[in-house]
Amino acid sequence: GDSVTQTEGLVTLTEGLPVKLNCTYQTAYSDVAFFWYVQHLNEAPKLLLRSSTDNKRTEHQGFHATLHKSSSSFHLQKSSVQLSDSALYFCALSGPGDGNEKITFGAGTKLTIKP
Amino acid sequence: EAAVTQSPRNKVAVTGGKVTLSCNQTNNHNNMYWYRQDTGHGLRLIHYSYGAGSTEKGDIPDGYKASRPSQENFSLILELATPSQTSVYFCASGDWGEVFFGKGTRLTVV
Repeated sequence: GDSVTQTEGLVTLTEGLPVKLNCTYQTAYSDVAFFWYVQHLNEAPKLLLRSSTDNKRTEHQGFHATLHKSSSSFHLQKSSVQLSDSALYFCALSGPGDGNEKITFGAGTKLTIKP
Repeated sequence: EAAVTQSPRNKVAVTGGKVTLSCNQTNNHNNMYWYRQDTGHGLRLIHYSYGAGSTEKGDIPDGYKASRPSQENFSLILELATPSQTSVYFCASGDWGEVFFGKGTRLTVV
């Protein structure tokens, strides 16, 4: 079956520093879409950004990610984090791409930003 | 904005009892999903549906049943609740992979 791996369970950074949250995957589907969702405390997860195009950078709200099928990765990055970025971040994949989608999430990375 | 409503928002159930979690969406999405969220495990897929009358097993279906009687409604049923099913449950709807979540149901089985 599909799997999504997020290697960092917890990341703590000082405001203004860059961040990179890792995401790798395994899937048998060829037509797959990839997502990052963000969940703030006591809220539901919400879509942050998505991509299905190899080697194309996707950006939203200061975050960016590039799908690299050659390395099965979809890492999330931001050049300068803010206090409001403190949240739980999930990487996810969706397949098989025919509309009847199964969506698999990673275990999540908790990002804590300190002043 | 897409709307997914879960009920109840909080539930305390006794071991061995039956629990039904309900989900309603007004987005006209074909696909609906039930996840549970536990610390360290992220969001794990229990059951999902492609449309009215269909249900599919997710990655952790044991101990759960699902029902999709209409496009709008998708229920998760615990026939014999156990303490290990204490968790936060999220319903979601969406097409082509982008999903919208409800606010979650906190279930405690005692």
